[in-house]
Amino acid sequence: EDQVTQSPEALRLQEGESSSLNCSYTVSGLRGLFWYRQDPGKGPEFLFTLYSAGEEKEKERLKATLTKKESFLHITAPKPEDSATYLCAVQAEFSPGAQKLVFGQGTRLTINP
Amino acid sequence: GAVVSQHPSRVICKSGTSVKIECRSLDFQATTMFWYRQFPKQSLMLMATSNEGSKATYEQGVEKDKFLINHASLTLSTLTVTSAHPEDSSFYICSARDDYAGGPDTQYFGPGTRLTVL
Repeated sequence: EDQVTQSPEALRLQEGESSSLNCSYTVSGLRGLFWYRQDPGKGPEFLFTLYSAGEEKEKERLKATLTKKESFLHITAPKPEDSATYLCAVQAEFSPGAQKLVFGQGTRLTINP
Repeated sequence: GAVVSQHPSRVICKSGTSVKIECRSLDFQATTMFWYRQFPKQSLMLMATSNEGSKATYEQGVEKDKFLINHASLTLSTLTVTSAHPEDSSFYICSARDDYAGGPDTQYFGPGTRLTVL
């Protein structure tokens, strides 16, 4: 069964304090790994798609990396507006419902000013 | 690009009534759309996959007669909650797949609809 585990569940940082969020996955052939940001009461906002081990993508203070077993979302010098829940999801190459995403439980990130 | 809208954003209804939620891809065509449900402090749970012009595929445990999905065009999918009951109260989110903006298979999500059944 395809699984995604995110850690930590919650993380509090001071403004400017860099850190990383982890997404470990077990999947029968990875088709794609996706990172989203979700604010309370809103739908997830797309951040990155990664397709193969070694791939990296950056956007402002965020950088996502991918290995064969896990992905990291690095946050550099975060600001209070980066506070949100960050969701990781995978799409399996050989799943019966080939298009569906399997989500982790998310990491709730709080940046204190 | 890749913007998805939902309407209404919030709805309150009486038990036994039906509620329709619309999901639109505003700047791209989506042959595939998805409907999710999210409970407080939990992650997204896929309810069904909707393909334009064909019947939706429902996840195990989701009642297809209760949650009617229609994907009538390349930019519109609707979810109708029939004979709603308080246990159907939840946050419903749709997504649409766009293979061009963020990369193949990337799903873009709507802002969600908060359904409260009294």
